[in-house]
Amino acid sequence: SQQGEEDPQALSIQEGENATMNCSYKTSINNLQWYRQNSGRGLVHLILIRSNEREKHSGRLRVTLDTSKKSSSLLITASRAADTASYFCAPLPGNTGKLIFGQGTTLQVKP
Amino acid sequence: DGGITQSPKYLFRKEGQNVTLSCEQNLNHDAMYWYRQDPGQGLRLIYYSQIVNDFQKGDIAEGYSVSREKKESFPLTVTSAQKNPTAFYLCASSMMGNNEQFFGPGTRLTVL
Repeated sequence: SQQGEEDPQALSIQEGENATMNCSYKTSINNLQWYRQNSGRGLVHLILIRSNEREKHSGRLRVTLDTSKKSSSLLITASRAADTASYFCAPLPGNTGKLIFGQGTTLQVKP
Repeated sequence: DGGITQSPKYLFRKEGQNVTLSCEQNLNHDAMYWYRQDPGQGLRLIYYSQIVNDFQKGDIAEGYSVSREKKESFPLTVTSAQKNPTAFYLCASSMMGNNEQFFGPGTRLTVL
């Protein structure tokens, strides 16, 4: 399978703590995207990192990409209860236009 | 408001019936996608289209059909040939194939 694989599958933390989610993939990529999904809803795009970038920030989000290890990580700093959701990484192989989604990491942030 | 809409939100059908899920976008996006999501799982690509009147099969196209007669619309038909159609269906669109995708709210299909 070419899909992104997230680790851990589930994560439970206290409000204010940082949350780190990891993603591994198998093929060369054009870019890698992270999405959030609240229960029963559609996905929301969080951040896109290109294959020639190593790190990207957006507000409380920090994404890293290591193409030599075919891995990425998403760090959410100072988490809030509203961050409770499932997070998916989606590598984009080549120029296919086809994102490959993993099973996601379910994050619970306790107030 | 620009966005991508799916209707209905919930859909119930009897086994053996075809059903069509609607997806409309007013974002002027070229590419549109249909995904299926099962409980606790990621998204699997059913069909995608990068231009009007053209579409390609994704990873799980069997038992599904689509059309792309207009840029704004990409309806998905779940046919009676789909052996396990009960799932959450998500439609998405993007400017071009390699850009971020914008998702609709989803349609939850239950086949009784």
